[in-house]
Amino acid sequence: KAGVTQTPRYLIKTRGQQVTLSCSPISGHRSVSWYQQTPGQGLQFLFEYFSETQRNKGNFPGRFSGRQFSNSRSEMNVSTLELGDSALYLCASSQASGGAEETQYFGPGTRLLVL
Amino acid sequence: AQTVTQSQPEMSVQEAETVTLSCTYDTSESDYYLFWYKQPPSRQMILVIRQEAYKQQNATENRFSVNFQKAAKSFSLKISDSQLGDAAMYFCAYRSGGSNYKLTFGKGTLLTVNP
Repeated sequence: KAGVTQTPRYLIKTRGQQVTLSCSPISGHRSVSWYQQTPGQGLQFLFEYFSETQRNKGNFPGRFSGRQFSNSRSEMNVSTLELGDSALYLCASSQASGGAEETQYFGPGTRLLVL
Repeated sequence: AQTVTQSQPEMSVQEAETVTLSCTYDTSESDYYLFWYKQPPSRQMILVIRQEAYKQQNATENRFSVNFQKAAKSFSLKISDSQLGDAAMYFCAYRSGGSNYKLTFGKGTLLTVNP
């Protein structure tokens, strides 16, 4: 089974621009979560989508948004980019079957550099 | 809110020896899961081991085992017979039970394995 894929892998943008990142979960997985990883703040939860609905949201400004499509693929968008948005953005998927063996599997990440 | 603390920013171990990484967490919940994830340099984050809070038995996965002390809210990872490929950043993570898929991560411990 193919793992979680994220595109693009690397991205350079300038302040004020917007960016869209994409995540394709493992086949059959219905939940997609997004995390921001920076050296200073570590790994921080952005949001989680399940069945095209945002189910959980972290403490990030409204410039960060996302969506999920009917095939479970997810996108996140950051508008009006700031220098501090430079980070590795990780996507994780899980079956979300509610079982005790639930585990999240991570993609390779998209490294965003804002100049 | 739940917090996860990893008090060792860096650790080193000789090849073939044993090392223990520490993690403590704070929560008022009774239903939760704990995880150790490994992130090798410039590579994907992968799950090392998981522990359900309701299980008293410590989880083991080959050379990896945990010491789960629920009352003390401690969740340490022991790596036996360390290998060069074990060198990575290790993150301890907490997830609430139920349909909340948010992971709360510690700051990580960078493990170096010396030949």
